[in-house]
Amino acid sequence: GAGVSQSPSNKVTEKGKDVELRCDPISGHTALYWYRQRLGQGLEFLIYFQGNSAPDKSGLPSDRFSAERTGESVSTLTIQRTQQEDSAVYLCASSFAPGGPDTQYFGPGTRLTVL
Amino acid sequence: AQSVTQLDSQVPVFEEAPVELRCNYSSSVSVYLFWYVQYPNQGLQLLLKYLSGSTLVKGINGFEAEFNKSQTSFHLRKPSVHISDTAEYFCAVSDGGGGSYIPTFGRGTSLIVHP
Repeated sequence: GAGVSQSPSNKVTEKGKDVELRCDPISGHTALYWYRQRLGQGLEFLIYFQGNSAPDKSGLPSDRFSAERTGESVSTLTIQRTQQEDSAVYLCASSFAPGGPDTQYFGPGTRLTVL
Repeated sequence: AQSVTQLDSQVPVFEEAPVELRCNYSSSVSVYLFWYVQYPNQGLQLLLKYLSGSTLVKGINGFEAEFNKSQTSFHLRKPSVHISDTAEYFCAVSDGGGGSYIPTFGRGTSLIVHP
């Protein structure tokens, strides 16, 4: 079956512009996660959705970052007024059962470059 | 909060040699442990996980890991590696104490298999 998909795969933008990253989770997965992976770093947790609500936004690095999820499906991560330090690979993952140690299925990521 | 240490950023090894990738975590309370692999230009995929029971866990592609509670470790091993095992390997830990189960990831270890 289809896995987690993300778009775009690559995004180059100028400092100060807004960007929107999209994640399509596996159908039926109620939990959805966003991570950031900077070069040479581990995965940094950003936000977690259970259905359409986000019980844990603790990882969002600033108020320039926001995310939403609709229809217990697609999620978008928006970064406003991008800065060079936002350059990273943004990974999305989904899992079947929220609130438990379920396997996460990852998308291929969106590589964001802020010039 | 958990922290996960992968001491080796890079592990070069010759084909058919054994390999061990090290992972230590900070808390000794109830934990769930995971190893994920990221092949070049692909998303992370689960290699194996420990939730409970036997401390020796077998995963895909001939990998195994052993949970050592006293040493707070979950090292990954393979007795004989192939060129195709060249990838980035991430250890992840989530608290089993009734929290959100969102895993904390290590920085990753790059396994480089030489012919």
